[in-house]
Amino acid sequence: NFMLTQPHSVSESPGKTVTISCTRSSGSIASNYVQWYQQRPGSAPTTVIYEDNQRPSGVPDRFSGSIDSSSNSASLTISGLKTEDEADYYCQSYDSSNRGVFGGGTKLTVL
Amino acid sequence: EVQLVQSGAEVKKPGESLKISCKGSGYSFTSYWIGWVRQMPGKGLEWMGIIYPGDSDTRYSPSFQGQVTISADKSISTAYLQWSSLKASDTAMYYCARPVDTAYGWFDPWGQGTLVTVSS
Repeated sequence: NFMLTQPHSVSESPGKTVTISCTRSSGSIASNYVQWYQQRPGSAPTTVIYEDNQRPSGVPDRFSGSIDSSSNSASLTISGLKTEDEADYYCQSYDSSNRGVFGGGTKLTVL
Repeated sequence: EVQLVQSGAEVKKPGESLKISCKGSGYSFTSYWIGWVRQMPGKGLEWMGIIYPGDSDTRYSPSFQGQVTISADKSISTAYLQWSSLKASDTAMYYCARPVDTAYGWFDPWGQGTLVTVSS
């Protein structure tokens, strides 16, 4: 199986842009879709990006996703940061047997 | 509205058995997979496994195979996560979530979570 590696934490100021990376250890990042989940303290996760770069209805267009085959990684970019974006973010994908894999999570601090 | 409602918090002793539930509503329960996700205290999300209530096809993460049992009762639109002998290391929040469209779809919605505490 493969691993998805995320930075443990990132921080940025309100109004700025931040990018969180998610690197796949083996196999192509493009072989299975990548999702991104936001989890605020004490709450269940919610989806902010699905199928690499799609936003569920209700998620602002400040959130965007992409994949980069050259670095075998996916990225979540949040522009125009707001204090309400402070949360943990997890990437997730599937292996060839349709078993899911989560990244370790990234704590976003907006200060 | 599509909803997943989980059973309440549990406090158990090591060695005891436990079955927690996740009831789906607002959609055809037998037509969508349901998955389980573990979150240990202060830690990240872990994909445990999924079940298709229509035919009970079940897939486990290698990390959880043999450690838990995932089942479903389609007559009452409910999925279950079960332990036969709990360990202290099973202390965690457990979420159910519905993969959209296919077994490898994104999760939406999520249940509210069930906190399981195992302590002597």
